[in-house]
Amino acid sequence: KQEVTQIPAALSVPEGENLVLNCSFTDSAIYNLQWFRQDPGKGLTSLLLIQSSQREQTSGRLNASLDKSSGRSTLYIAASQPGDSATYLCAVFNAGGTSYGKLTFGQGTILTVHP
Amino acid sequence: DAGVTQSPTHLIKTRGQQVTLRCSPKSGHDTVSWYQQALGQGPQFIFQYYEEEERQRGNFPDRFSGHQFPNYSSELNVNALWLGDSALYLCASSFSGSSYEQYFGPGTRLTVT
Repeated sequence: KQEVTQIPAALSVPEGENLVLNCSFTDSAIYNLQWFRQDPGKGLTSLLLIQSSQREQTSGRLNASLDKSSGRSTLYIAASQPGDSATYLCAVFNAGGTSYGKLTFGQGTILTVHP
Repeated sequence: DAGVTQSPTHLIKTRGQQVTLRCSPKSGHDTVSWYQQALGQGPQFIFQYYEEEERQRGNFPDRFSGHQFPNYSSELNVNALWLGDSALYLCASSFSGSSYEQYFGPGTRLTVT
């Protein structure tokens, strides 16, 4: 059974800092990994999708890396801004087995960027 | 292009009642998945519909049922509501012939009193 863990659970940083969010998963037979952003009470916004054959993806100030063999992914946010404050969720999509067809999510990292 | 839409936005029900939530997928998508997100938790997979059939199901009781229509839209039905069913219900759509990237709707906030 796939399990996803995110560290830290919460993070508070001053504006302008570079930061790293961590995600680990137990079953390396994944098809892809997605990072999402969720504002309070809202739905999920997809930030980055990394296919299992890829090592990293970049979008603006965001960079996500994937090490499938060790079951880890990191989301790097450069030059953080107060508007980045949100919950960041990592989710994996499995290629087969009992977890096939669904995203398995971590608990999320609550990020607060203060001016 | 409208993304994934869900209705209603908010809903208040009494314990024991039944509820129906609706989802329209992103244009071009044929697969719809439903997730339940309790406060402070990550979303939990309920089930997935493809070609009007339930393809996968998570660890949820039979009180949770669904349907997919020929236009790919979907409904989630919950019978005999419990207080513990209070959550944000998220719908996600994807295209079966691509990277399985999932796009989420804004969710329906269900409160059971």
